[in-house]
Amino acid sequence: DIQMTQSPSSLSASVGDRVTITCRASQSISSYLNWYQQKPGKAPKLLIYAASSLQSGVSSRLSGSGSGTDFTLTISSLEPEDFATYYCQQTYSTPPTFGQGTKVEIK
Amino acid sequence: EVQLVESGGGLVQPGGSLRLSCAASGFTFSSYEMHWVRQAPGKGLEWLSYISSSGSSTYYSDSVKGRFTISRDNAKNSLYLQMNSLRVEDTAVYYCARMTYYSSGKCFNYWGQGTLVTVSS
Repeated sequence: DIQMTQSPSSLSASVGDRVTITCRASQSISSYLNWYQQKPGKAPKLLIYAASSLQSGVSSRLSGSGSGTDFTLTISSLEPEDFATYYCQQTYSTPPTFGQGTKVEIK
Repeated sequence: EVQLVESGGGLVQPGGSLRLSCAASGFTFSSYEMHWVRQAPGKGLEWLSYISSSGSSTYYSDSVKGRFTISRDNAKNSLYLQMNSLRVEDTAVYYCARMTYYSSGKCFNYWGQGTLVTVSS
């Protein structure tokens, strides 16, 4: 199975800050990398698919980049609704594994 | 509007069984592969199982292989997860999710709201 490692596991930031979350795959996954946001008590929500494609309806403050083994999710200017946990996921091969999550908290 | 609604969760004793259902609407269910994902309390997302659109192909994580069975009824627009030999560590919220293929990738773009399974004596 492909292992996905996110960093950091958590971060504290203020509204307006630029935030970057990284995700590393244990082997090359081309661009088969997705990002999800999850808020407490809610199902995950797709943000970005294929490493850099923004899901319809998702704010353009969010962006994704990378290919191969290293990927990033960037939030250009944090808004209150962005405080949540973020997960990367590879869909290059079955099983489609997730990273352990990055919790973005209010500083 | 695409909707996935899970049901069937609850409290069960270790060694017991439970069958989860996921009712799909708003799309052609028989055209999509479907997945189950779970999340233990305070933990991350764990992929469990997948079934092809026709139901002819299935795959399981090592953690549930031999204990859980995924199935679907395309005539009823429903996905199922039969869970046997349940363990305390199976306690989690269980989500069904739809896999969508794009030219550049594939992802879970629709999720159910989740159903809680608690395994405890």
